[in-house]
Amino acid sequence: GENVEQHPSTLSVQEGDSAVIKCTYSDSASNYFPWYKQELGKGPQLIIDIRSNVGEKKDQRIAVTLNKTAKHFSLHITETQPEDSAVYFCAATKTGANSKLTFGKGITLSVRP
Amino acid sequence: EAQVTQNPRYLITVTGKKLTVTCSQNMNHEYMSWYRQDPGLGLRQIYYSMNVEVTDKGDVPEGYKVSRKEKRNFPLILESPSPNQTSLYFCASSDRGQLNEKLFFGSGTQLSVL
Repeated sequence: GENVEQHPSTLSVQEGDSAVIKCTYSDSASNYFPWYKQELGKGPQLIIDIRSNVGEKKDQRIAVTLNKTAKHFSLHITETQPEDSAVYFCAATKTGANSKLTFGKGITLSVRP
Repeated sequence: EAQVTQNPRYLITVTGKKLTVTCSQNMNHEYMSWYRQDPGLGLRQIYYSMNVEVTDKGDVPEGYKVSRKEKRNFPLILESPSPNQTSLYFCASSDRGQLNEKLFFGSGTQLSVL
């Protein structure tokens, strides 16, 4: 089955700096890669996703890049703000009727004011 | 408002006392799933349901039961809770019928088994 790894488990950046969170996956058949943000005391919420037919997707201050050859994808957050502090989960799956989303273990991002 | 509602938000119980965590969604989603979140282990799937009366095991189903008698409800049942089931639980749903993989999560249930 799919195995998704996130490293490191914590990341601290200065407000205004950029943050990059990387994930690797094992199953070359995976074709959908979402990122979820979990704020303190809340459930995870989808913030951006990418499918394997594109290499990059951007939504305001966040972007995701995908390298299918190396089997890794990254979340990029520019001009970080304190409200970006949260746990971020990457995930991967091969879409289909019986697809199963496999999550990474999560990374805690802290934005220092 | 589109949402997934879990109850209770917090629960403290003792070993062996049966409990049910309820989950309800108002988006007419076919797919529903339960996850547990533990420090250092991320989100692990317990059970999922592709539609009414269709349920299947996830990665960590031992000690749990589910049922899907109605489309909107997907309760998680712990027949005989044990301390290793102390965890943060999330229910989620999605509209797989549209090949839309986006998961909507509830706010979570923090369970402590003493």
